[in-house]
Amino acid sequence: AQSVTQLGSHVSVSEGALVLLRCNYSSSVPPYLFWYVQYPNQGLQLLLKYTTGATLVKGINGFEAEFKKSETSFHLTKPSAHMSDAAEYFCAVSAQAGGTSYGKLTFGQGTILTVHP
Amino acid sequence: DAGVTQSPTHLIKTRGQQVTLRCSPKSGHDTVSWYQQALGQGPQFIFQYYEEEERQRGNFPDRFSGHQFPNYSSELNVNALLLGDSALYLCASSLQAIQETQYFGPGTRLLVL
Repeated sequence: AQSVTQLGSHVSVSEGALVLLRCNYSSSVPPYLFWYVQYPNQGLQLLLKYTTGATLVKGINGFEAEFKKSETSFHLTKPSAHMSDAAEYFCAVSAQAGGTSYGKLTFGQGTILTVHP
Repeated sequence: DAGVTQSPTHLIKTRGQQVTLRCSPKSGHDTVSWYQQALGQGPQFIFQYYEEEERQRGNFPDRFSGHQFPNYSSELNVNALLLGDSALYLCASSLQAIQETQYFGPGTRLLVL
């Protein structure tokens, strides 16, 4: 079984400030981890993913995340927030390739990011 | 290259009715997954189709069924609609061999009155 907990349903930052969105996961099998972004009235867009290898993953729009197995965390960061980053962000987990839940994404509840001028 | 498309964009039904939602995957993709996103929640996995068969299923009742056609497009059917079925229904497509990369469509927003 897999689950995701996103700490903080709302995060507010000033433009130019650090963005930190927290994600902890639970998985009985080695996981793949994902961050998706959702703009109002749109579908989900993949920001970045961890599969295997390097634990620091870089994604689009300047975002990055670090897989920490010992902490079961996959927090999303961006050094400097832009107004265009305002959206809802979802962390997700799946089993690795070959696992029984491979391809089935389990999402967290989401974190709404607000960016103030 | 068209991405994932879904139709209709919005739908209003009444309790007890049946609904069919449609999804065309990204060009070249052979696997379609469906998710339900209730208001204020994260998406929940309904099921996945590959080679015209249901391959995985989430914790959804049998009222939710699907189909995949030879051209890889897919339908989601929901029977005996309940108020709680009101949600955004998202379709995601991928290659069977690379399911960790899923592309999502814009969704169909279903309102059940």
